[in-house]
Amino acid sequence: QITLKESGPTLVKPTQTLTLTCTFSGFSLSTSGVGVGWIRQPPGKALEWLALIYWNDDKRYSPSLKSRLTITKDTSKNQVVLTMTNMDPVDTATYYCAHSTNSGTNWFDPWGQGTLVTVSS
Amino acid sequence: SYELTQPPSVSVSPGQTARITCSGDALPKQYAYWYQQKPGQAPVLVIYKDSERPSGIPERFSGSSSGTTVTLTISGVQAEDEADYYCQSADSSGTYEVFGGGTKLTVL
Repeated sequence: QITLKESGPTLVKPTQTLTLTCTFSGFSLSTSGVGVGWIRQPPGKALEWLALIYWNDDKRYSPSLKSRLTITKDTSKNQVVLTMTNMDPVDTATYYCAHSTNSGTNWFDPWGQGTLVTVSS
Repeated sequence: SYELTQPPSVSVSPGQTARITCSGDALPKQYAYWYQQKPGQAPVLVIYKDSERPSGIPERFSGSSSGTTVTLTISGVQAEDEADYYCQSADSSGTYEVFGGGTKLTVL
């Protein structure tokens, strides 16, 4: 059974850097075709894909947020970390991590429960 | 940047068929995926690779593709199917992923 759980601060100040950790079990990020993605959802709004890291350390980022995002993995700890710099109130959202399967294209299944991050001074 | 377009809302009566569309220029080249999200819950994958159904998803959920439009069909809609539905796919080069704006399915 695959499970994922997001952790990190619930409140950050504008201009600060957000660091979120996804801790997972039930799969290995060293297995070919496996990845972990990050997706966020502002309150009452749509899902927005942020980043994806593959088993081979290939990394993909949302073009609109690429300059602010960094995704890394620690295979030994079964963790993926996402950092987002220069946080703004518009970045207030629930942040999800999800297991990804790459078979030419990527899909996300299952997802973590999500963690709400509020950006406010 | 690449966008996927969904209708904001769809309404059907119980037992009827609901069809939710998703349009995007790269859909003839890239597979589409569908997620169901109920209030306060994380999204759940209901269709992958345009028309494949994950284990545990009821048979009333199906997907299809035609040109630049993919469609999620829910046959014999039940009250428990009321939720937001999102399509997801990639840009034409497969460089990044995109979600549609979501469709709220209301069961009357």
